[in-house]
Amino acid sequence: SQQGEEDPQALSIQEGENATMNCSYKTSINNLQWYRQNSGRGLVHLILIRSNEREKHSGRLRVTLDTSKKSSSLLITASRAADTASYFCATDNYGQNFVFGPGTRLSVLP
Amino acid sequence: EAQVTQNPRYLITVTGKKLTVTCSQNMNHEYMSWYRQDPGLGLRQIYYSMNVEVTDKGDVPEGYKVSRKEKRNFPLILESPSPNQTSLYFCASSLSPGIEQYFGPGTRLTVT
Repeated sequence: SQQGEEDPQALSIQEGENATMNCSYKTSINNLQWYRQNSGRGLVHLILIRSNEREKHSGRLRVTLDTSKKSSSLLITASRAADTASYFCATDNYGQNFVFGPGTRLSVLP
Repeated sequence: EAQVTQNPRYLITVTGKKLTVTCSQNMNHEYMSWYRQDPGLGLRQIYYSMNVEVTDKGDVPEGYKVSRKEKRNFPLILESPSPNQTSLYFCASSLSPGIEQYFGPGTRLTVT
């Protein structure tokens, strides 16, 4: 399995601070995506980065990808209480199946 | 409104009683997938489908069946549920594999 692993498992920060989450995977990938999940609800897509890209931005989100280290990071800048959620990375390896990591639980305290 | 719907949202059943969880999308997506989510394990893919009549196993297919007779529907069938299938189940769809997936609201299944 090419399961991704997020790090840390849980993160607690104050509003306004930046939050960084990391994801590692085991095999070569096509794309890597990040998703957010609020409290047992359906996942919401945040951002996709292709294997030939190194960095991507979307609003307050910044994603980096290092294929040599098989790792990615998600940075959320100027966090808000509404960012409190679990964050998952997901990879596909040019095939058709997806692999999600166990997730990082982010708590943003007001 | 573009969406993925699942029914039922909550289900409590007993061991061995066949059940079906329905999934439907209104976005004309080719790719559909089922996941289960368990604490500490993230989401694990059960089955996926590239198109009508094309399905394949994910990482944890044992004990599950699927069918894709119409593009919009992708039901998950548990022919003989067991307590280790107690979980939160998500259906998802996308235009093609490897890109943004749209998730349903989830079905919380308890097998006693």
